[in-house]
Amino acid sequence: SAVISQKPSRDICQRGTSLTIQCQVDSQVTMMFWYRQQPGQSLTLIATANQGSEATYESGFVIDKFPISRPNLTFSTLTVSNMSPEDSSIYLCSVTRGHEQYFGPGTRLTVT
Amino acid sequence: GENVEQHPSTLSVQEGDSAVIKCTYSDSASNYFPWYKQELGKGPQLIIDIRSNVGEKKDQRIAVTLNKTAKHFSLHITETQPEDSAVYFCAASKTGYALNFGKGTSLLVTP
Repeated sequence: SAVISQKPSRDICQRGTSLTIQCQVDSQVTMMFWYRQQPGQSLTLIATANQGSEATYESGFVIDKFPISRPNLTFSTLTVSNMSPEDSSIYLCSVTRGHEQYFGPGTRLTVT
Repeated sequence: GENVEQHPSTLSVQEGDSAVIKCTYSDSASNYFPWYKQELGKGPQLIIDIRSNVGEKKDQRIAVTLNKTAKHFSLHITETQPEDSAVYFCAASKTGYALNFGKGTSLLVTP
């Protein structure tokens, strides 16, 4: 398995501001991902965080809104920019180890 | 893109009974099918997975079956316990890492 931590665990933010979420893994991994889980809903992949290059975004998600950094093989950040109430969700990072994918505990974001 | 349908959305069983959750997928190229359990306030936890070259996999009280022809797969939990109560998600992937999730099943096991 993998031990994944995220900071902050939750936050309440005002409309128009930005929040950066951190994801730390206990050892080096090749692939890291960011997902969004809207209230009571399923998980949707936002992007793949690539070490040393730009993130790869899924349809419907853009870099200006969700900039991602991946400075090394154990750490990544996701920024939610210019937030609106529709961005209220749980944001989860995940990593692959072998053929399995493991998730962090999530960051619960509320935008007022 | 891949579309994963999951049923039922809610399931209530008595302790000791079996629970079955079913998923269908649309992309015949999908070859990896994990199941996750999510408890309140926590991230999803991988509980079992299956690859397309296998028809069934079992781990203690949990089993997963896959029918590639019909493009559906199922999670079976036997001898359910109250601690099995959670939301369960199925997922499908053709890359092995970019997961497409079903909408989830809220399982309640009553004593």
